Amino acid sequence: DTGVSQNPRHKITKRGQNVTFRCDPISEHNRLYWYRQTLGQGPEFLTYFQNEAQLEKSRLLSDRFSAERPKGSFSTLEIQRTEQGDSAMYLCASSATANTGELFFGEGSRLTVL
Amino acid sequence: GQQLNQSPQSMFIQEGEDVSMNCTSSSIFNTWLWYKQDPGEGPVLLIALYKAGELTSNGRLTAQFGITRKDSFLNISASIPSDVGIYFCAGQHSGYSTLTFGKGTMLLVSP
Repeated sequence: DTGVSQNPRHKITKRGQNVTFRCDPISEHNRLYWYRQTLGQGPEFLTYFQNEAQLEKSRLLSDRFSAERPKGSFSTLEIQRTEQGDSAMYLCASSATANTGELFFGEGSRLTVL
Repeated sequence: GQQLNQSPQSMFIQEGEDVSMNCTSSSIFNTWLWYKQDPGEGPVLLIALYKAGELTSNGRLTAQFGITRKDSFLNISASIPSDVGIYFCAGQHSGYSTLTFGKGTMLLVSP
């Protein structure tokens, strides 16, 4: 399967713990995006990378959130000191073409904070 | 953050019926896209529109980019049970890489 891969698919954690999600994009795609989706809502943009450079961050991305893409391939999204409001589906997407909106999404990582 | 107004919120139809849903925005977009999301999965791109007034088809799906650049609609003809899912519109501003999504239209199809 050469699509966008995310893991873990599900994560249950206690409030205050740190969690990390990984995304492996489609190999020839140089753009990688993180979105967050809560129940009954559409995906909301968090951040995106072109190669290893983080080019934009949403105001939704508080200082407890950090994303990296160290070698321009896979990316990690870490949430420190999780809160119940962080419970959501975290979606990763990649694209090959700039500014077309044609994103290929992974299956998502569902986070539940107890 | 800004979200698009998508309607209807949900639809329950009989197999074989045609479906229409739309999306409006207070701001202009340069690109309109329609995605479908199945339960527990990520969204999948259905149709992308790049020009005001553009009408594009993908099988039984047809979408249009509104002439004002502030709206778009999606039609599904002769619905089948596998059309069940949540349909999201998304807009992209000129020069930006990020997308703004609507809240989705949930479609249920009865066999």
